[in-house]
Amino acid sequence: KAGVTQTPRYLIKTRGQQVTLSCSPISGHRSVSWYQQTPGQGLQFLFEYFSETQRNKGNFPGRFSGRQFSNSRSEMNVSTLELGDSALYLCASSSPGQQWETQYFGPGTRLLVL
Amino acid sequence: AQTVTQSQPEMSVQEAETVTLSCTYDTSENNYYLFWYKQPPSRQMILVIRQEAYKQQNATENRFSVNFQKAAKSFSLKISDSQLGDTAMYFCALGTGNQFYFGTGTSLTVIP
Repeated sequence: KAGVTQTPRYLIKTRGQQVTLSCSPISGHRSVSWYQQTPGQGLQFLFEYFSETQRNKGNFPGRFSGRQFSNSRSEMNVSTLELGDSALYLCASSSPGQQWETQYFGPGTRLLVL
Repeated sequence: AQTVTQSQPEMSVQEAETVTLSCTYDTSENNYYLFWYKQPPSRQMILVIRQEAYKQQNATENRFSVNFQKAAKSFSLKISDSQLGDTAMYFCALGTGNQFYFGTGTSLTVIP
């Protein structure tokens, strides 16, 4: 099976812009989670989508949003970018089952905000 | 509030030796899952081992095993017969309630 894919791999944006990141889960996986990784804050959970619905949410402002499509692909959007949004954004997918089943991570999208 | 603490920012081990990475956590939930993830320099996060809190038996995966002490809220990872490919950042993680929490990570270097 193909692994989790994320596009684009690298992005450079300026403050105030918005950005959309994409994640394609492993075939058959219906849960997609998003994480932000920074040197200062480490790995932080953004949100999780399951069957096109946001099932869980971390403590991020409303500028961070997401959605999931019927084919389980997910997008994450960040509006009004701030310098502090520079980070590696990781997506992870898991198969149906109990919550917090094993997550399989993608390679990440590295976002630089100037 | 849920927390995951890894008190060892960096560790090193000689090839073929055994090393133990520490992790403590705090949660008020009864149902939760604990994980160790490995992030090599290439950045792709990989699951090392998973433990359901309701299972008393410690999980093992080949050279990797955990010491799960539920009452002490401790979840350490033991790597036996360390290999050069084990060099990576190791994250302890807790899945509970409606969130997922990572520790700050331990950078492990295997020395030839």
